[in-house]
Amino acid sequence: EADIYQTPRYLVIGTGKKITLECSQTMGHDKMYWYQQDPGMELHLIHYSYGVNSTEKGDLSSESTVSRIRTEHFPLTLESARPSHTSQYLCASSAGLPGGEKLFFGSGTQLSVL
Amino acid sequence: AQSVTQLDSQVPVFEEAPVELRCNYSSSVSVYLFWYVQYPNQGLQLLLKYLSGSTLVKGINGFEAEFNKSQTSFHLRKPSVHISDTAEYFCAENSGGYQKVTFGTGTKLQVIP
Repeated sequence: EADIYQTPRYLVIGTGKKITLECSQTMGHDKMYWYQQDPGMELHLIHYSYGVNSTEKGDLSSESTVSRIRTEHFPLTLESARPSHTSQYLCASSAGLPGGEKLFFGSGTQLSVL
Repeated sequence: AQSVTQLDSQVPVFEEAPVELRCNYSSSVSVYLFWYVQYPNQGLQLLLKYLSGSTLVKGINGFEAEFNKSQTSFHLRKPSVHISDTAEYFCAENSGGYQKVTFGTGTKLQVIP
């Protein structure tokens, strides 16, 4: 089973607040990812990391930022949340040969910005 | 740009009936294909994947998928579904090496008792 954890599970906040979504994995995977998931839409990659001190933006533009100071930890931060940020955020990790590796997903954080 | 098409957003099926969830991919080069399942209030987990070799791939929970290069399809099948199979199923492809996984929009499978 996957050992990747996301907190909080649900978050309701007001516009303009700064928030951090936590993601941790205990599998020692080098690669970690953040996806945004909306109903009826494909998952969109918003950030990824190949290892410590490595972060890149994904295919979908996002106002969020990420950091990777430790292998196991990949938090996502929104400096000033807006209603347009309301979505489900999924964290994932992987290891193995490029392209064919299995993604391990956390349970997600459902964010609602009022 | 690579894309994955799941034409059916919802598929209702009676318990113990067979089911096929359709997936078409766009890449014209070598491609890795995946099916993931998302149960309610959970993250996605891998059902099966095709990397190379046999075009018929068997996964967990009795699911299988067939890679068809001429039709650019990777349909998911199960001969007899259970209530516990009720979930959302995502097809995905990777043809760009590192991290470039493209997901479809998902198909919600509803198993009717």
